[in-house]
Amino acid sequence: DTAVSQTPKYLVTQMGNDKSIKCEQNLGHDTMYWYKQDSKKFLKIMFSYNNKELIINETVPNRFSPKSPDKAHLNLHINSLELGDSAVYFCASSQVGKGARTEAFFGQGTRLTVV
Amino acid sequence: AQSVTQPDIHITVSEGASLELRCNYSYGATPYLFWYVQSPGQGLQLLLKYFSGDTLVQGIKGFEAEFKRSQSSFNLRKPSVHWSDAAEYFCAVAGGSYIPTFGRGTSLIVHP
Repeated sequence: DTAVSQTPKYLVTQMGNDKSIKCEQNLGHDTMYWYKQDSKKFLKIMFSYNNKELIINETVPNRFSPKSPDKAHLNLHINSLELGDSAVYFCASSQVGKGARTEAFFGQGTRLTVV
Repeated sequence: AQSVTQPDIHITVSEGASLELRCNYSYGATPYLFWYVQSPGQGLQLLLKYFSGDTLVQGIKGFEAEFKRSQSSFNLRKPSVHWSDAAEYFCAVAGGSYIPTFGRGTSLIVHP
């Protein structure tokens, strides 16, 4: 059973399009994240949700909008895609509230290419 | 604010040699510390973590790391490297917000 799953794994799209990346975790964690990994492998936090509430929103263009319908899901919608949005996007989850704290568990990543 | 510095962008070792990857963090209190490994085209896999207690932490695949508060360091070590260890290694720190902040990574190259 995959703990944190993202779809799609690859996404190629044209500039100006709108796209979504889905993420689901079956670990029962209370916190989920989106990270962006650039071409130099640098991982930068974009958003963090705790129990469906946004708790961090780093400096990210407002074309990026996260949506958390429930604790197990955190989707990322991107409007008006630009060339600079090309990157690998990772979803992750962890437990930070009640119970034992855990490390962040990562999905396999979604490689987004904007052409 | 928390931050992590991995001073080595690339490290090259021969198979069977020992390995040490450096990590320095910045955080005002006792941090939570992690090492992750990323193989090409893959997600991040946790090697080991420090939350509290013993400052020498054992992880998977024969890796260990030592938390040294006085040096703000959490260096990763392995006594004998295998060719399959070639990958990107990331050190991360989490403070009061519990959100991991990552270093820029160290690429490990293993020569036969």
